[in-house]
Amino acid sequence: GAVVSQHPSRVICKSGTSVKIECRSLDFQATTMFWYRQFPKQSLMLMATSNEGSKATYEQGVEKDKFLINHASLTLSTLTVTSAHPEDSSFYICSAGKTGTGNTGELFFGEGSRLTVL
Amino acid sequence: QKEVEQNSGPLSVPEGAIASLNCTYSDRGSQSFFWYRQYSGKSPELIMFIYSNGDKEDGRFTAQLNKASQYVSLLIRDSQPSDSATYLCAAATSGTYKYIFGTGTRLKVLA
Repeated sequence: GAVVSQHPSRVICKSGTSVKIECRSLDFQATTMFWYRQFPKQSLMLMATSNEGSKATYEQGVEKDKFLINHASLTLSTLTVTSAHPEDSSFYICSAGKTGTGNTGELFFGEGSRLTVL
Repeated sequence: QKEVEQNSGPLSVPEGAIASLNCTYSDRGSQSFFWYRQYSGKSPELIMFIYSNGDKEDGRFTAQLNKASQYVSLLIRDSQPSDSATYLCAAATSGTYKYIFGTGTRLKVLA
């Protein structure tokens, strides 16, 4: 199956610093990627849709200036949490889907990145 | 607001039993349905997808879809302790990857 790789898997940072998380589709091109946040014992909450070559589309209530998304190539999207605070501590997961004929609508998920802000 | 609802559980079943996980969705425009398994601290992995009314079987797993009732279920036969995880149901409109996820049902298979 298709592979989506996410890095780093864990990051600990001080309050006020910025953290960048990368999401790569390793064996297919992804014009669209999705970023989710998941708090303990809760479901995945879609934060934004990352579109290659254009601005990301953010879900209601998600601050676009705080969660910067860049999708500069067909295989890479990045999420930067700016001026992180302890309440931003969460599990961040990216996903991507294949396009073209034969795709099943399946989303392929990265391994997730656990962010802890001290 | 589009919603996908699941009982959060935990659902406890003995090893070897059938586990039945249920999901309802509110958007009648949803046409694609997915079941993902998520172990604690890990990202979701696809178990099955289903698009048509009826049953779809894959090994020990059977997905059932009833669009009239807006109901999706997942049956796990011969449940194993390794099946213990949270099962997420997701619905999507055809042609999009914008899933609506349920909150997940935590399954415990007791040895």
